[in-house]
Amino acid sequence: ETGVTQSPTHLIKTRGQQVTLRCSSQSGHNTVSWYQQALGQGPQFIFQYYREEENGRGNFPPRFSGLQFPNYSSELNVNALELDDSALYLCASSPTPDSSGNTIYFGEGSWLTVV
Amino acid sequence: GDSVTQMEGPVTLSEEAFLTINCTYTATGYPSLFWYVQYPGEGLQLLLKATKADDKGSNKGFEATYRKETTSFHLEKGSVQVSDSAVYFCALMRAAGNKLTFGGGTRVLVKP
Repeated sequence: ETGVTQSPTHLIKTRGQQVTLRCSSQSGHNTVSWYQQALGQGPQFIFQYYREEENGRGNFPPRFSGLQFPNYSSELNVNALELDDSALYLCASSPTPDSSGNTIYFGEGSWLTVV
Repeated sequence: GDSVTQMEGPVTLSEEAFLTINCTYTATGYPSLFWYVQYPGEGLQLLLKATKADDKGSNKGFEATYRKETTSFHLEKGSVQVSDSAVYFCALMRAAGNKLTFGGGTRVLVKP
């Protein structure tokens, strides 16, 4: 039990639609990151949010966007869904944005299938 | 850029066998190194970590030593159990920032 909760756990969307995934970070953690894990691969960093602003981004197109709220919870939004967006989306929280060696806690993930 | 390479699976073992999963990395500076485990249908759990050269991380019988000279962080366990069946990911994080860079994962299957 990491204290990081994600919703929904599973969802199916049609190509071209939009999706919103949600994450509640562990108590006291002000930094949230999102990762995409395609089937059979390692997670890939999408972006990080700190103090309600984007604080680093991986190699993902602008149709991947996010929000962080004053309570540190976060949303990942994906527009114009493509079949290749089908993946497990993992939320991770940490106590600060910039300290090496911090333990990063992951949620159980949201499984997105695009048909 | 940063990268992590780990041995491809699946690795199939009998219970009580010795497990080694190789991991090497490429990164500037002195990153922290991690092993995460993912059980079927679940998210990632931190297994162990090491933050500087020659550090040994250990947890649940698993060990890994940060070798700067060979840029490696191999995972070992002396006697595996069926419950160790999972996918194991090696990862690094630079000193600045909280972005994890993962390897492709190694599936381990332990048979009774």
